[in-house]
Amino acid sequence: QVQLVESGGGVVQPGRSLRLSCAASGFTFYTYGMHWVRQAPGKGLEWVAVMWYDGNNKYYADSVKGRFTISRDNSKNTLYLQMNSLRTEDTALYYCARDSEPFVAVGTFDYWGQGTLVTVSS
Amino acid sequence: QSALTQPASVSGSPGQSITISCTGTSSDVGGYNYVSWYQQHPGKAPKLMIYEVYNRPSGVSNRFSGSKSGNTASLTISGLQAEDEADYYCSSYTTSSTPVFGGGTKVTVL
Repeated sequence: QVQLVESGGGVVQPGRSLRLSCAASGFTFYTYGMHWVRQAPGKGLEWVAVMWYDGNNKYYADSVKGRFTISRDNSKNTLYLQMNSLRTEDTALYYCARDSEPFVAVGTFDYWGQGTLVTVSS
Repeated sequence: QSALTQPASVSGSPGQSITISCTGTSSDVGGYNYVSWYQQHPGKAPKLMIYEVYNRPSGVSNRFSGSKSGNTASLTISGLQAEDEADYYCSSYTTSSTPVFGGGTKVTVL
């Protein structure tokens, strides 16, 4: 069965960096686009970034563009999110999610991890 | 990209039907059939309930249905049950090749 397990969250000071990982299993990872979605405490879902199956296309929300970098290692079935210049408003539960369509990314999320919590605070 | 517009809350009695709207623009909801809906119970990850406007993933109750007219998509829950009490989010693909979520709707079963 499809499993997505996020890790790497924690408490970090503003301006510092953090790298999140998402270990995938139960499907052919290299054929699916993968997303990061976050949810601030008590707030709604916010899409963060997507990387297509082959790594050739990646897109970011305006709120993280220039600070966050999405990447993947298809040999390790792992998705990453490098977060630099963190701000207090980046505090959220970060989910990785699989796109529902192989070989494209249509922005439908059919499987989600349980999330990893990032707290940005001094 | 601006968030899609959903009502903050919708309520209904057990057995009733409710509808949640999701309004966007021609650059998202109106321009693509990649509209999806997610259910989220407290402390849980979101769950896909409807994809491509009206399709249900395997295992999702047929009490959930989706539709779209112009720039507005809708999720209808018929035969409302206590377990349907949750937050619901819509999402759409956009002309920026990225998705956008709605603000979320809290469904209360009276």
